[in-house]
Amino acid sequence: QQQVKQSPQSLIVQKGGISIINCAYENTAFDYFPWYQQFPGKGPALLIAIRPDVSEKKEGRFTISFNKSAKQFSLHIMDSQPGDSATYFCAARGSRLTFGEGTQLTVNP
Amino acid sequence: EAGVAQSPRYKIIEKRQSVAFWCNPISGHATLYWYQQILGQGPKLLIQFQNNGVVDDSQLPKDRFSAERLKGVDSTLKIQPAKLEDSAVYLCASSRVQRGGNTQYFGPGTRLTVL
Repeated sequence: QQQVKQSPQSLIVQKGGISIINCAYENTAFDYFPWYQQFPGKGPALLIAIRPDVSEKKEGRFTISFNKSAKQFSLHIMDSQPGDSATYFCAARGSRLTFGEGTQLTVNP
Repeated sequence: EAGVAQSPRYKIIEKRQSVAFWCNPISGHATLYWYQQILGQGPKLLIQFQNNGVVDDSQLPKDRFSAERLKGVDSTLKIQPAKLEDSAVYLCASSRVQRGGNTQYFGPGTRLTVL
């Protein structure tokens, strides 16, 4: 019930391409869905977040798409850059913040 | 604004030894969290404090882990005795309020290796 399933585990894209990371959840009580970005040796940092009453949120090159009926949400990174290479975690908030397993993104120059 | 501070950054101990981690949250943040991040996994909440009271410690292995937040500011997390499976990065995070608008800001973590 508290799980958040994330895919893929790893992703390699070319500079300028689109990176897409998907997450699915079961608990309909989740009310807040953030994405975190983590660089090696650093703690996770909030990238973008969405609430379930909104189907899409865009901030610069980053977009969250949210499908409430399917209980799925995804992160799209447009015009991916080498500096975007990091591990990305989706999360969902119920009584606590539950994180997905993470996606290691590599953007080749 | 200074971020969440943690120390030490790295720690190597033998199994059955004890270890303690320290966290100083962002000034004014009432809520403090300790997470365990095992290699290749997402962070998992161990304990959440609101000021100096415990809000959620349901996932804390209380037979060996303990945490305190005296005076509602700094916090320490202790493991005694450590097991091999405790090898992980221990992340501290803080936020202004418990829910609504509660962006969690993470520290750099302490990487623990148990041999």
